[in-house]
Amino acid sequence: GAVVSQHPSRVICKSGTSVKIECRSLDFQATTMFWYRQFPKQSLMLMATSNEGSKATYEQGVEKDKFLINHASLTLSTLTVTSAHPEDSSFYICSAPKRLGFGGDEAFFGQGTRLTVV
Amino acid sequence: KNQVEQSPQSLIILEGKNCTLQCNYTVSPFSNLRWYKQDTGRGPVSLTIMTFSENTKSNGRYTATLDADTKQSSLHITASQLSDSASYICVVSRSDYKLSFGAGTTVTVRA
Repeated sequence: GAVVSQHPSRVICKSGTSVKIECRSLDFQATTMFWYRQFPKQSLMLMATSNEGSKATYEQGVEKDKFLINHASLTLSTLTVTSAHPEDSSFYICSAPKRLGFGGDEAFFGQGTRLTVV
Repeated sequence: KNQVEQSPQSLIILEGKNCTLQCNYTVSPFSNLRWYKQDTGRGPVSLTIMTFSENTKSNGRYTATLDADTKQSSLHITASQLSDSASYICVVSRSDYKLSFGAGTTVTVRA
């Protein structure tokens, strides 16, 4: 099946620094990628939709200046958490949809990134 | 409102036993329904995907059912193994490719 690779899997950073998370579709092109945040024992919450060659679309309540998204190619999207604070500590997951033959799509998820801000 | 509700929230079963997880949704317009398995600290992995015309699909010991009329789905795990301990998430895709996630059911399999 299709593979989406997310890097790094874990990162610890100091408060006030920025962290970049990469999401790559390894064997298919993804004009759209999705970024999610997941708190312990809760479901995935959509943060933003990353669109190749255009601006990302952010969900209500998500600060676009804090969570910078760049989708520079058909296989790579990056999420940068700027000026990170302890409350930004969370599990971040990306996904990329792959179109299927019947007209629907399948979402393939990255392995997730555990961000800890100290 | 596009919602996906899963039950139970969590369950504990003995190794070798069967269990069934439920998913009710109100998402519209409906495209497909998927079940994912998410191990702790990992990204979700797809188990099954069903369109409105499919009412059952199996993947090894996992069997999903879909009733598009009542907007209900179930995931049945047969002969559970310790490795089945995980969170199982029901996800409904709309025709515009937006996904609606259930909160998940945490399954714990004990020896």
